[in-house]
Amino acid sequence: NSKVIQTPRYLVKGQGQKAKMRCIPEKGHPVVFWYQQNKNNEFKFLINFQNQEVLQQIDMTEKRFSAECPSNSPCSLEIQSSEAGDSALYLCASSLGRQTNERLFFGHGTKLSVL
Amino acid sequence: QQKVQQSPESLIVPEGAMTSLNCTFSDSASQYFAWYRQHSGKAPKALMSIFSNGEKEEGRFTIHLNKASLHFSLHIRDSQPSDSALYLCAVIADTGYQNFYFGKGTSLTVIP
Repeated sequence: NSKVIQTPRYLVKGQGQKAKMRCIPEKGHPVVFWYQQNKNNEFKFLINFQNQEVLQQIDMTEKRFSAECPSNSPCSLEIQSSEAGDSALYLCASSLGRQTNERLFFGHGTKLSVL
Repeated sequence: QQKVQQSPESLIVPEGAMTSLNCTFSDSASQYFAWYRQHSGKAPKALMSIFSNGEKEEGRFTIHLNKASLHFSLHIRDSQPSDSALYLCAVIADTGYQNFYFGKGTSLTVIP
């Protein structure tokens, strides 16, 4: 069973609404990633953190998403104004560090449907 | 931007068969190559990884890397119905940020 906990499992929003999802990384993992997996199984990297610091993010994330990983609280990813194209599975993953050989541990994801 | 492509898109094999999955990448500076498996409705899970050219075997699974050809593969010996899943290859080029680039996956079905 996955030790990366994502909530909620399913999220349904109307266009223009905010959509917020949360992730508790595996204990002791300082690096957290968010990926978007669309219906064609394409993975899109969104953002990653080391502890509370953003390491990298794509333009879309910077412009339309709000993301944070506060200490002692779940990480969160929030779409400020949902669009139909945002419908996807949002996967959170964590790892031990920034070394190349660190495998990612994924959560089950939050499936977002934007109506 | 790294391009990672997988083939075939889907595969159906009988139980006991050898299964071969392929992954090509575009950045010759890539340094880490991995396979993940995602059962339907479940979290992707790391299977195997490799850094240097050659082969690595773990149980029924073998990963093979040829950096010069920009290609690596996963071979599953004695395929089982429980191996039915989406197989994703992943590549890291930038060791500074551990940014994985994933392929679109190969959907494997093993028929009893």
